[in-house]
Amino acid sequence: DSGVTQTPKHLITATGQRVTLRCSPRSGDLSVYWYQQSLDQGLQFLIQYYNGEERAKGNILERFSAQQFPDLHSELNLSSLELGDSALYFCASSVDPGGAAGELFFGEGSRLTVL
Amino acid sequence: DQQVKQNSPSLSVQEGRISILNCDYTNSMFDYFLWYKKYPAEGPTFLISISSIKDKNEDGRFTVFLNKSAKHLSLHIVPSQPGDSAVYFCAAFGNQFYFGTGTSLTVIP
Repeated sequence: DSGVTQTPKHLITATGQRVTLRCSPRSGDLSVYWYQQSLDQGLQFLIQYYNGEERAKGNILERFSAQQFPDLHSELNLSSLELGDSALYFCASSVDPGGAAGELFFGEGSRLTVL
Repeated sequence: DQQVKQNSPSLSVQEGRISILNCDYTNSMFDYFLWYKKYPAEGPTFLISISSIKDKNEDGRFTVFLNKSAKHLSLHIVPSQPGDSAVYFCAAFGNQFYFGTGTSLTVIP
């Protein structure tokens, strides 16, 4: 158990809909990262938050947005969903903003299926 | 643009033999490298890391080698065990973590 909690574990929805994925980081971790893993793809970095502020942005679509709340949990909002958004979405957390002093701790992922 | 590449999608090794997983990167500014292991239906878990100031780091059966001039990273598992069967991701840290596409290792009993 990494200590990172993601909900829901599975989600099936239709094109055009909007969903919210939730992540609770490990106790004490201030940084939260979101990654997308599509079929046969690596982990694509979407966005990072540190202590409530956006820290780094990756290949995140404009239809996607995220935020980190004062209690440090984070939500990833996916809107106007397309078939290609079907993927496994991972949240990870780390102690420091750069993460270089250690590693990322990953949740079990939220599997999104868009029909 | 994929800054971290794992060119072998899969690898099969006999139990007890050595598994060698390879990773190439393009950015010479990366200063920290990691390997993650992922079982089905689970999130990736940290396995081993190496700083760019080192060329080798060992942890039990796992050894990571870094060749900065070649921008190449490898993970050696000796001896390989069936429980090592998983997908292995290579990652590099610059201003953020960059992950490869993973190599699926199967250790045959």
